[in-house]
This record gives sequence, structure tokens and C-alpha cells, in this order.
Amino acid sequence: DGGITQSPKYLFRKEGQNVTLSCEQNLNHDAMYWYRQDPGQGLRLIYYSQIVNDFQKGDIAEGYSVSREKKESFPLTVTSAQKNPTAFYLCASSIIRGEGNQPQHFGDGTRLSIL
Amino acid sequence: SQKIEQNSEALNIQEGKTATLTCNYTNYSPAYLQWYRQDPGRGPVFLLLIRENEKEKRKERLKVTFDTTLKQSLFHITASQPADSATYLCAPTGGGNKLTFGTGTQLKVEL
Repeated sequence: DGGITQSPKYLFRKEGQNVTLSCEQNLNHDAMYWYRQDPGQGLRLIYYSQIVNDFQKGDIAEGYSVSREKKESFPLTVTSAQKNPTAFYLCASSIIRGEGNQPQHFGDGTRLSIL
Repeated sequence: SQKIEQNSEALNIQEGKTATLTCNYTNYSPAYLQWYRQDPGRGPVFLLLIRENEKEKRKERLKVTFDTTLKQSLFHITASQPADSATYLCAPTGGGNKLTFGTGTQLKVEL
């Protein structure tokens, strides 16, 4: 079955440590996205990519980094510069079509906590 | 700045009734509006997309309206069931591939 796989489901980070969240899709989608979700807040866009080897900052990119070396993969690194990393992280993908605004397909998220 | 408002209080209704959720937006004019369902600990799942020139769209027991004058979308679930209990997110968007989401409204359908 096609879909998006995020791993791990739960992740713990020590102070000063970088951690990388995995996101893989087999939907053959061109665009991929990373969101952060906090209680009582909507999903906030961290980074997105519309093509391999290219990505753009979203609304809250500070303290995060990404890469897009393969179409199927879009890993997110939460760096030590991100002072409040505890959150639920969601990865999504979509096709790109002329009129835009295509539905996004989401993974089941990674919950990151600070030890 | 763009603002999206969804009821932060949970909506509790009885099984069989129609649930109506509201999405209001200000300071922009979206050309599209999407609705998603999110279950606890899971990612959102796409339900419906409506365009600004469409007043209403239906899919099985779901109905969405889009009033660009009122800057509002209503999301209806008819003959609601306990399995409909979830958080529902709206995403009014001007176009392109980026989405901006509301905070969501939690729906609880009771027996």
C-alpha cells in the first residue's frame, strides 16, 4: 500500500543534542512538507520541498534543517538551536498540479520530548 | 495578518444528529478550502476540497459550504456516529502547494 512512513513514533532528546526524524513516501509525490503541532495550535509549516535537492523555509524554520536527496525521502533534523523542540512532528506529501492546492497525505507523526 | 478561527471548545452531539463545524477566516481571500480529520496520535486525513466558485460540496454524509462574503466555511456531518468523533481541521488557502491550518474543533458523538 502507498503511504508515508515516519519513524520513530516516539523520540527523546537530551539537551544540546541534534536528532533526525525520518519521513519516507512511496506515493511518487513531488512535494513534501514538515509541520509541527502543539496543543491548542494549528499545524505550523517548518520546511517544504517541491523537487529533489531544493527546499524552502516555512513559517518556523529556525532551529531546524532538512535535506531532499531522494524523491522518496525528506528527513528533518531538530538542532540544539531549537530551544523548545517538544512537539508532535508531522510529515506530508502531495502531487504538484497547475492550479495548486492539492490534498496532502500525512504520516502518523513523531512525538519528540526533551529528557 | 491571516487568521483562521475554529471553535476551540469541543462540540458534543447525540448520535444520529447533524454536526456543524465552523471555519472563519480574516485578512485574506482563499481560492480553496480543505477539510481534514485527525484522530488522537495520528496524522490528518484529507476529506474534502471546495473552490471559491463552489457554494456547496457533498461526499456521502459530509457537506461543506463556502461563503466568500461571510468569509466562512461550514462543515456538516449528517446522521453522526460515534466513529465520527475526531478533531476536524480546516485549511483555507489562496493557491499553490502550501496550506495554512486552523487549530481544529474536536467533535464528540455520544450514544
